[in-house]
Amino acid sequence: GENVEQHPSTLSVQEGDSAVIKCTYSDSASNYFPWYKQELGKRPQLIIDIRSNVGEKKDQRIAVTLNKTAKHFSLHITETQPEDSAVYFCAARQNSGYSTLTFGKGTMLLVSP
Amino acid sequence: DGGITQSPKYLFRKEGQNVTLSCEQNLNHDAMYWYRQDPGQGLRLIYYSQIVNDFQKGDIAEGYSVSREKKESFPLTVTSAQKNPTAFYLCASSMGANYGYTFGSGTRLTVV
Repeated sequence: GENVEQHPSTLSVQEGDSAVIKCTYSDSASNYFPWYKQELGKRPQLIIDIRSNVGEKKDQRIAVTLNKTAKHFSLHITETQPEDSAVYFCAARQNSGYSTLTFGKGTMLLVSP
Repeated sequence: DGGITQSPKYLFRKEGQNVTLSCEQNLNHDAMYWYRQDPGQGLRLIYYSQIVNDFQKGDIAEGYSVSREKKESFPLTVTSAQKNPTAFYLCASSMGANYGYTFGSGTRLTVV
């Protein structure tokens, strides 16, 4: 099955700096890579996703890049704000019949004013 | 809650008891999932269902059971066989294999 590694486990930045979270996956057949944001005590919410036929996708201050050859994908947040503080999860899904999402262990992002 | 409702929000279980967590969605999604979240462990898949009257075990199904009698409902029972049930349980649904998940707000289960 799929295995997703996520780094770093914690990330502290100053407001206005950029933050980058990286994930690697094991199964080259995976073709869908979402990112979720989870605030303390709340449910995870989808913030951006990318499919394997695309190398980069942007949505305002967030972007995701995908390198299929190296089997890694990254979340980039620019001009960070205190409200970006949360746990971020990456995930991957295989393109084999019906497959579930396999999640990374999460990155706690802390943005200090 | 974005069309997917979990109840209760907090649940306390005594040793040896079975408890059932509710998950209901009105999104007309075929697929539903149960994940367990522990600090530092990410989200681990317990069970999932692609269609009514069908479900499959996930990575950590031991000590849990589910049913899928209606498209809208996917309850999870935590049995006494689950030795360490204290965790945050998340239910999710999806339109299908090419779509992301919508999560419920979660149930925090504590063994007392």
